[in-house]
Amino acid sequence: GENVEQHPSTLSVQEGDSAVIKCTYSDSASNYFPWYKQELGKRPQLIIDIRSNVGEKKDQRIAVTLNKTAKHFSLHITETQPEDSAVYFCAAPKGGSYIPTFGRGTSLIVHP
Amino acid sequence: DAGITQSPRYKITETGRQVTLMCHQTWSHSYMFWYRQDLGHGLRLIYYSAAADITDKGEVPDGYVVSRSKTENFPLTLESATRSQTSVYFCASTPGSWDYEQYFGPGTRLTVT
Repeated sequence: GENVEQHPSTLSVQEGDSAVIKCTYSDSASNYFPWYKQELGKRPQLIIDIRSNVGEKKDQRIAVTLNKTAKHFSLHITETQPEDSAVYFCAAPKGGSYIPTFGRGTSLIVHP
Repeated sequence: DAGITQSPRYKITETGRQVTLMCHQTWSHSYMFWYRQDLGHGLRLIYYSAAADITDKGEVPDGYVVSRSKTENFPLTLESATRSQTSVYFCASTPGSWDYEQYFGPGTRLTVT
């Protein structure tokens, strides 16, 4: 099955800095790579995703990059703000299925 | 439009009791999932369903039972609750048909004493 490793587990930055979270996956047939944000006490929600035929996708201050050869994808947040503080999860599906495996999460803390 | 709901939101039960967590979605999504979330483990898949009457085990299925007689409902039953099943449980759904996004319910916090 799919194995997803996520690093770091905790990331502490100053407001305005950039943050980068990286995930690696094992199944070369995986074709969809989402990132979810979970605020304290809330449900996870999709913030950005990328499909395997695209190398990079941006949405305002967040971007995701995909390196299929190395089997890793990363979340980039620029100009971080305190409201970016949350747990972020990456995921990758088993093969071409709709069944995701999630990384263990990264707790991002943005200090004002 | 309620989307995806879970009930109860909070539950305290005793070891050995049977507990059922409910999940209901109004979108007619094909896929439904149950996850448990524990500190340090992220979201672990318990069971999933690709359609009514089709269910399959995920990563941590032991001690749990599911059913899906209707597309919109996907209940999760703990047959004999144990303290190790204390967790936050999330139900999620995915449309399928090239839409892979997971839509999560609000979660159920279960404590087994």
